[in-house]
Amino acid sequence: NAGVTQTPKFQVLKTGQSMTLQCAQDMNHNSMYWYRQDPGMGLRLIYYSASEGTTDKGEVPNGYNVSRLNKREFSLRLESAAPSQTSVYFCASSDRGRGHGDTQYFGPGTRLTVL
Amino acid sequence: SQQGEEDPQALSIQEGENATMNCSYKTSINNLQWYRQNSGRGLVHLILIRSNEREKHSGRLRVTLDTSKKSSSLLITASRAADTASYFCASQGGSEKLVFGKGTKLTVNP
Repeated sequence: NAGVTQTPKFQVLKTGQSMTLQCAQDMNHNSMYWYRQDPGMGLRLIYYSASEGTTDKGEVPNGYNVSRLNKREFSLRLESAAPSQTSVYFCASSDRGRGHGDTQYFGPGTRLTVL
Repeated sequence: SQQGEEDPQALSIQEGENATMNCSYKTSINNLQWYRQNSGRGLVHLILIRSNEREKHSGRLRVTLDTSKKSSSLLITASRAADTASYFCASQGGSEKLVFGKGTKLTVNP
């Protein structure tokens, strides 16, 4: 099993450009999450999806949109990138409701720089 | 912000010593989890302690939880250079969302 995969690994954008970060998991998990990690700030939740077909805002959703394409895939879109969105983005999934205490499994991250 | 806090922010020790990291959180929880992050990598789950537990062990890891003080600690015994990483606590309330702390950066010197 590959676990949680993310593409791309690195990306440089100019202010105003758009892009989509892709995430897929092969563990048949119901819940998926997008976080951003900034120096000294830990991880902050952007959006999450408790199940296929549902999405909800996290702590820092402004400037982002998400799509839960199917059970495996959860994408994050920046419509008009801003320098404040320079960060490392992590996707995660969890197997909620099966007695595992909602342990989350993380992808390797996408390092995004907005110039 | 709902974020918790880890203490200390950075810790440097010698191989073989014990490392203790503390975490405080803000709201009532169902469980508290600890994750590890090696430089440039994603987070990896280490251990979970439920709100009705006070202490839990896993190999060289020992976690304690004090819900009255809204705090937890992670002890790594007999540390190794390979334990060098950042450690994050994450609290979970009634939903699937985790609230992460800001992390402790541990350096274990050989």
